[in-house]
Amino acid sequence: ELKVEQNPLFLSMQEGKNYTIYCNYSTTSDRLYWYRQDPGKSLESLFVLLSNGAVKQEGRLMASLDTKARLSTLHITAAVHDLSATYFCAVDRVFTGNQFYFGTGTSLTVIP
Amino acid sequence: ETGVTQSPTHLIKTRGQQVTLRCSSQSGHNTVSWYQQALGQGPQFIFQYYREEENGRGNFPPRFSGLQFPNYSSELNVNALELDDSALYLCASSFPVGTEAFFGQGTRLTVV
Repeated sequence: ELKVEQNPLFLSMQEGKNYTIYCNYSTTSDRLYWYRQDPGKSLESLFVLLSNGAVKQEGRLMASLDTKARLSTLHITAAVHDLSATYFCAVDRVFTGNQFYFGTGTSLTVIP
Repeated sequence: ETGVTQSPTHLIKTRGQQVTLRCSSQSGHNTVSWYQQALGQGPQFIFQYYREEENGRGNFPPRFSGLQFPNYSSELNVNALELDDSALYLCASSFPVGTEAFFGQGTRLTVV
């Protein structure tokens, strides 16, 4: 069974600080996706990582993928309150595109 | 706005009843997937439709069924509702495979 694990599950950080969320997965996959979810809302796509070594950045968020280690990271730089949300990573199996298996989610709270 | 719309947004049903949820895909997207998200958890893959055919299924019983129409809109049907079916149901459309999927705002189903 494909498993996707994130840590930490809960993260409380002060504004201006840096932190990293980790996503480990148990199957061969070259595609890793990061989504953001605000309370009571749907999922917003943040990054699509399609190959080993892929790195993408958008504002204060940077995501990377190491397919050999089956690990992706989401790095937050100089956190601001607007980043408070739940972040999910997801993978899909090789040959079955866009059938996502999501991680447990990381609930991020940025404290002023 | 992702261009993916779901209806209804909220629904209350009684145990044992049947329910139909609807999803209108983003224009040009021929693949739609459905997910169940219980409170505090990550979305779980239910099934995917591609060009009106079921193209993969997660670990859900047969009472969860679906349809995709020629205009790529989709339905999720759940028979014999159980209390544990209470969740946020999300549909996601995508094209082509391996790109990001766009999620609708979800339908919040409560089974009493």
